[in-house]
Amino acid sequence: QVQLQESGPGLVKPSQTLSLTCTISGGSISSGQYYWTWIRQHPENGLEWIGYISYSGNTYYNPSLRSRVTISGDTSETQFSLEISSVTAADTAVYFCGRGATIRTRELDHWGQGTLVTVSS
Amino acid sequence: DIQMTQFPSSLSASVGDTVTITCRASQSIGNYLNWYQQKRGKAPKLLIYGASTLQSGVPSGFSGSGSGTYFTLTISNLQPEDFATYYCQESYRNPPWTFGQGTKVEMK
Repeated sequence: QVQLQESGPGLVKPSQTLSLTCTISGGSISSGQYYWTWIRQHPENGLEWIGYISYSGNTYYNPSLRSRVTISGDTSETQFSLEISSVTAADTAVYFCGRGATIRTRELDHWGQGTLVTVSS
Repeated sequence: DIQMTQFPSSLSASVGDTVTITCRASQSIGNYLNWYQQKRGKAPKLLIYGASTLQSGVPSGFSGSGSGTYFTLTISNLQPEDFATYYCQESYRNPPWTFGQGTKVEMK
């Protein structure tokens, strides 16, 4: 059974880079055809899809964040990472990693527990 | 981007009730519609994919229907553990695959 776990600093200063890692247990980036995805949730708000790295290494980012976002995979293939540069208070959110199926309807069938990142000086 | 509009934004119900949540897409998305349940402080959990297919392990009291631009999630015989926030998400063609604003199901 696949499990996902986010990790990284809970506090980032404005204008700096937010960096998070998602560790995959019970699977790897290239095992099966999946989109390894980042999603965030602003306080009291809904869910925002950030982007993914696919099983083949392709990436896709939300156009609203594209200029500041990078998603990459680790050579071990059991971790993938999110970087958001030049952060502001608007990037304060709970960040989730998830696994999206490329077959069926690309649903997110596994999620990490989420990690709160606060942008503040 | 495709816009997803969910309504109502919140509703009050009692254990044993049947409730229906609606999600409209700004353009036709076929059956590329997924439903998630989120409890406070937890990650969302997949309930239904493909508009109407129940994810493995999800109780049969949950059902989804619709296609094109109009979709519904119905919860029959509401149980105490079903009080939560529900989100729809489109996953049609190219990303970003947007979520609805959520519907909070509260106890009356």
